[in-house]
Amino acid sequence: GAVVSQHPSWVICKSGTSVKIECRSLDFQATTMFWYRQFPKQSLMLMATSNEGSKATYEQGVEKDKFLINHASLTLSTLTVTSAHPEDSSFYICSARDLLLAGAYNEQFFGPGTRLTVL
Amino acid sequence: QKEVEQDPGPLSVPEGAIVSLNCTYSNSAFQYFMWYRQYSRKGPELLMYTYSSGNKEDGRFTAQVDKSSKYISLFIRDSQPSDSATYLCAMSARKYGGSQGNLIFGKGTKLSVKP
Repeated sequence: GAVVSQHPSWVICKSGTSVKIECRSLDFQATTMFWYRQFPKQSLMLMATSNEGSKATYEQGVEKDKFLINHASLTLSTLTVTSAHPEDSSFYICSARDLLLAGAYNEQFFGPGTRLTVL
Repeated sequence: QKEVEQDPGPLSVPEGAIVSLNCTYSNSAFQYFMWYRQYSRKGPELLMYTYSSGNKEDGRFTAQVDKSSKYISLFIRDSQPSDSATYLCAMSARKYGGSQGNLIFGKGTKLSVKP
């Protein structure tokens, strides 16, 4: 149980194009999903919190117009990197919280990540 | 100074060795401490969860938190080749990061257990 998938696992794109990354909770419903970014040899850093049916909350320093997040259903959140540039090349990983688990704040289940390379 | 410091390794040990993984932190507000294990091409999975100071044991794994020193450790006894992975520490002021889910991660330590 508690499986989170991401698609694609790896994407290469040209500078200036947009890339969409999907995060799905496969066997549970998630009202809240989180998007993290990890640059080489750096820590996972939270980019934004995504709540189903509402606008995402972005961390300081993360451009909301560049990283578009849509959480249209209880099992799917998408991150679109718009007008991607080489400095956006990174490992993007999502996590999700199970709606039905007891407790106000419960464990985040992580996806396998998406490696984005912008040429 | 970064909020969480973790030696990225790599750390290589023989099978059966005791492994010690550590993180230090600077934010006194952190109350919740987690260790995640991440296999290659997989997402991090929660290994141990500790609230405040003290020890917690789960099979071959022991997590220690020393809030006075702002230092946390994960010990792995009788290490196995299947333990080879990257281990990330994470911490937060609120349980599992609170409503905003903001877990502060270390860089991760890559562990290799040789048969």
